[in-house]
Parts: sequence; structure tokens; C-alpha cells
Amino acid sequence: TQLLEQSPQFLSIQEGENLTVYCNSSSVFSSLQWYRQEPGEGPVLLVTVVTGGEVKKLKRLTFQFGDARKDSSLHITAAQPGDTGLYLCAGGPGAGSYQLTFGKGTKLSVIP
Amino acid sequence: DSGVTQTPKHLITATGQRVTLRCSPRSGDLSVYWYQQSLDQGLQFLIQYYNGEERAKGNILERFSAQQFPDLHSELNLSSLELGDSALYFCASSVGKGGYTFGSGTRLTVV
Repeated sequence: TQLLEQSPQFLSIQEGENLTVYCNSSSVFSSLQWYRQEPGEGPVLLVTVVTGGEVKKLKRLTFQFGDARKDSSLHITAAQPGDTGLYLCAGGPGAGSYQLTFGKGTKLSVIP
Repeated sequence: DSGVTQTPKHLITATGQRVTLRCSPRSGDLSVYWYQQSLDQGLQFLIQYYNGEERAKGNILERFSAQQFPDLHSELNLSSLELGDSALYFCASSVGKGGYTFGSGTRLTVV
């Protein structure tokens, strides 16, 4: 069974601060996706990384896939209250399977 | 609107009852996935259908079953409900190995 560990579990920061959240596994994934979920809604895909060492930027968000494709990080620069939400990483799919394995998420609160 | 429609949004039922959750995937997506989300377990994969056929099974209880119809909508049936089945149930759809598009979920409360 492939498992994804996300850290920290909770993060509360002031507006304007930078932060990094992590997603780690002992398994190799063919791709790694990051989602953001707001209360009462389904997760929304932010990015997909597929190549070891790949870095993708989405405005103030920077995503990195580890060289060995076992870990990933999400860095947010100058956090804003609108960044508040649950950030989920998801790994996969494996050969012959399209299902994603999700971490339990990092709950981010950005205080104005 | 993500394009994935789930109904109902909220459901309250008693233990021992049976409920059906419905999902219409995004237009053109052949794969439908069902996930259960609880506070302590996170998003747990239940089952996947592709173009009407079961493709993969996860931690789905025997009391739960699903199907995908010719028009590609899917239903998740939960029977003999227990208090511990209270959770958010999400449906997602995808094209191939791309990212998922999730619906807004059904919040099931078993009392």
C-alpha cells in the first residue's frame, strides 16, 4: 500500500509570511498532484508534476517533485487570506491503475 | 461549477438504512471514482469505474456497492448504515491519467 505523509498537519500564519508544506512517501510515484480544498467543497487540482526534480510555479505557489519521485513540496510566498484551505497531495497512478492515493492534508490558515 | 454533479448535497438517515448517492461526471470523462473523506482518515479511495466497467477497488466495505450506467453517471449504494459511515462522499471524474475533477460531495450523517 502506498502511503503519503503530509506535514505539518496544521499551519497558522500571518498574512505576508512564506510557508512550505511537505508530502513524503517511501514509494515512488509516476506523478504527484496537489489539490486545494475549501470547506463544503471538493478538492480542486492545482498542479501535476511528473518528472523527478521538476519545479512548477503558479503565481505565488511553487511546487517541486523530488528527484526520486517519492516526495514533493509546496511553497507559498507572501501568503494571503485567500490561500486558506486544506492542501492535499496525491500520488499515482501506478502501472495499470488510474486511482490516486491522497495524503491527509495540511490545513492552512492565513490570518489577516 | 466543476462539471461533476453530485446529489444529494446532504443526507441524514438512521442506522440500518440504505441510501443511494448519485454522480454525473464531467462531459467526456469516462472514469468515475468514489472517495470517502472523514476527519481522521482523509480521502479514502472506494472504487473506480471506466466506461461502465469496474476498474479498481479500494477500501470499499461489502455493504457498499456502485455501478456506472451507459450514460456514464454513477451511483454509490450504501446499506445497513452504521454511525461510522458518516462522512463526506466525493465523486471525481477524469480523462485517462490526468488530474481529477471532483464534485462538491455528499455529506452523509447517520443517526
